[in-house]
Amino acid sequence: QKEVEQNSGPLSVPEGAIASLNCTYSDRGSQSFFWYRQYSGKSPELIMSIYSNGDKEDGRFTAQLNKASQYVSLLIRDSQPSDSATYLCAGWTFRSGYALNFGKGTSLLVTP
Amino acid sequence: DTGVSQDPRHKITKRGQNVTFRCDPISEHNRLYWYRQTLGQGPEFLTYFQNEAQLEKSRLLSDRFSAERPKGSFSTLEIQRTEQGDSAMYLCASSPPSGSETQYFGPGTRLLVL
Repeated sequence: QKEVEQNSGPLSVPEGAIASLNCTYSDRGSQSFFWYRQYSGKSPELIMSIYSNGDKEDGRFTAQLNKASQYVSLLIRDSQPSDSATYLCAGWTFRSGYALNFGKGTSLLVTP
Repeated sequence: DTGVSQDPRHKITKRGQNVTFRCDPISEHNRLYWYRQTLGQGPEFLTYFQNEAQLEKSRLLSDRFSAERPKGSFSTLEIQRTEQGDSAMYLCASSPPSGSETQYFGPGTRLLVL
């Protein structure tokens, strides 16, 4: 079992809707979480980081962390076709050393 | 642009050849990471440098792989006697000296071994 799990999708949402991307993790000691966006053939681009329970908002993006349930989510409001990409969830714990543990990513398709 | 840069962006080689990739981190970032990503998978950690010291290596890093960061600035990743299974995107990332674990990725080097 991977330490970070994501549904590979694809998740399809209409333009203007809210896209909800979820991620679960197995290591309760995980302290930091990151969402990256990756367009096909490109490298991961950092969207948001979250360290504490609750919500963190940045523009159209909201990251949510629930350590008791061991899940992290990313909400994208007013989804645009340009948001179509793979979204990678990554977690960090002291036990992982210096590495980020990535999920396989969820493919998001925003249809016009 | 002062982001992470990698060179080359693409490399095609024949099985058995050696290849070397270069990564230039964001200036003033003393922490540098190498990852490998194959199709449909998330990036997998290979190795980590803090300044010039290589502090961690993944078990994925076989003895055919070697990485250096001689002066604590740019880093190189060499693969000797390449195999078809080495075909992947090789990603470099860097982090600032502060406690944040946020890692910023370069554009990657896509390797195809024929």
